[in-house]
Amino acid sequence: GQQVMQIPQYQHVQEGEDFTTYCNSSTTLSNIQWYKQRPGGHPVFLIQLVKSGEVKKQKRLTFQFGEAKKNSSLHITATQTTDVGTYFCAGQEGGATNKLIFGTGTLLAVQP
Amino acid sequence: DTAVSQTPKYLVTQMGNDKSIKCEQNLGHDTMYWYKQDSKKFLKIMFSYNNKELIINETVPNRFSPKSPDKAHLNLHINSLELGDSAVYFCASSYSNSPLHFGNGTRLTVT
Repeated sequence: GQQVMQIPQYQHVQEGEDFTTYCNSSTTLSNIQWYKQRPGGHPVFLIQLVKSGEVKKQKRLTFQFGEAKKNSSLHITATQTTDVGTYFCAGQEGGATNKLIFGTGTLLAVQP
Repeated sequence: DTAVSQTPKYLVTQMGNDKSIKCEQNLGHDTMYWYKQDSKKFLKIMFSYNNKELIINETVPNRFSPKSPDKAHLNLHINSLELGDSAVYFCASSYSNSPLHFGNGTRLTVT
């Protein structure tokens, strides 16, 4: 079945450093979504990318969808302590169920 | 408040017991889900209902039975609980192809 892998599993940065997490799907996706889960919290939707090669920005966050619609990345510029949490990509298959498969997640720790 | 709410927040029980988790959404969404998050933070879909009809049923033991009395509610009943069922269970809802709104989760501990 479809698998969505993320690297790295864990990243520890100093506040002010940049951070990137990469997401790879075993199959072509209709769209990809990104979620953030704070420690002890629930996943919260950040953004959805639909078009091949799409790039979207939210303040210090930059999201990219690959040309082949099988990979994606999230880049955070100048991390802050409020960025701490686990970042999940989630790939949506096409078809009748439009199942959303979550990636393995990247835990970001930011040291002040 | 508009939200996805699930109860209880914490559930501690012994092996062999039967327990239920309830979920309600007032966002007007047509699709509801149950996800299981294990100790490694992996989020795995268990079930999905669209307008009260089961549309996704992953490889989940028969001891887990979802029930959707209407499109605003999706409950999860678990029979004969096992140690390996310990996890955080998240309910979520959405419009068919739209992003998910998650509940706050139910932390289930089986002893």
